[in-house]
Amino acid sequence: NAGVMQNPRHLVRRRGQEARLRCSPMKGHSHVYWYRQLPEEGLKFMVYLQKENIIDESGMPKERFSAEFPKEGPSILRIQQVVRGDSAAYFCASSPLSRKSSYNEQFFGPGTRLTVL
Amino acid sequence: KQEVTQIPAALSVPEGENLVLNCSFTDSAIYNLQWFRQDPGKGLTSLLLIQSSQREQTSGRLNASLDKSSGRSTLYIAASQPGDSATYLCAVINTGGFKTIFGAGTRLFVKA
Repeated sequence: NAGVMQNPRHLVRRRGQEARLRCSPMKGHSHVYWYRQLPEEGLKFMVYLQKENIIDESGMPKERFSAEFPKEGPSILRIQQVVRGDSAAYFCASSPLSRKSSYNEQFFGPGTRLTVL
Repeated sequence: KQEVTQIPAALSVPEGENLVLNCSFTDSAIYNLQWFRQDPGKGLTSLLLIQSSQREQTSGRLNASLDKSSGRSTLYIAASQPGDSATYLCAVINTGGFKTIFGAGTRLFVKA
């Protein structure tokens, strides 16, 4: 059973370009979380998604950032018009959590390191 | 607003020592608490998950405890090894939501 997969592992963008980060959850997991880790800082929650639904996006910046988790395919975190301050490691986690389940351990991917020049 | 604090921020110990990492949280209405390890430049590895109804979990040389009423969790590492050197992160999920709040971590260095 492959773990959580993220690609690309490293992404370089120039200011003003778009960044697309992909996350494929573990098999059987239908819940995805995105986190951002700025250099020398802790992880900050961004968004929690189920298939085709955004459940909690309270950690997402109001502008330029969006996330989706379609019925088919990976979850996508999209950053439009990137700025230098967006440079960070972006981690995705998945869990088998359902609203009726108390087992909701999160499993993390290796992260995508975004560098904005 | 939930806040998670980890003490100490950094710790250096000789190989073989038993050690305790501390995590405290301000809102006791948590769904669960999870301990992770992060190696430099890498992702997070889940170590232990404690549900809100549980008091502790054990895995090998690791033991994590949870005291919801006092807002504290500890991660105990027995007979530390150089391979245990990493940053250890504590995270909580509040009831009524699914937002995960992380502490800033404890950077552990075990000297051979």
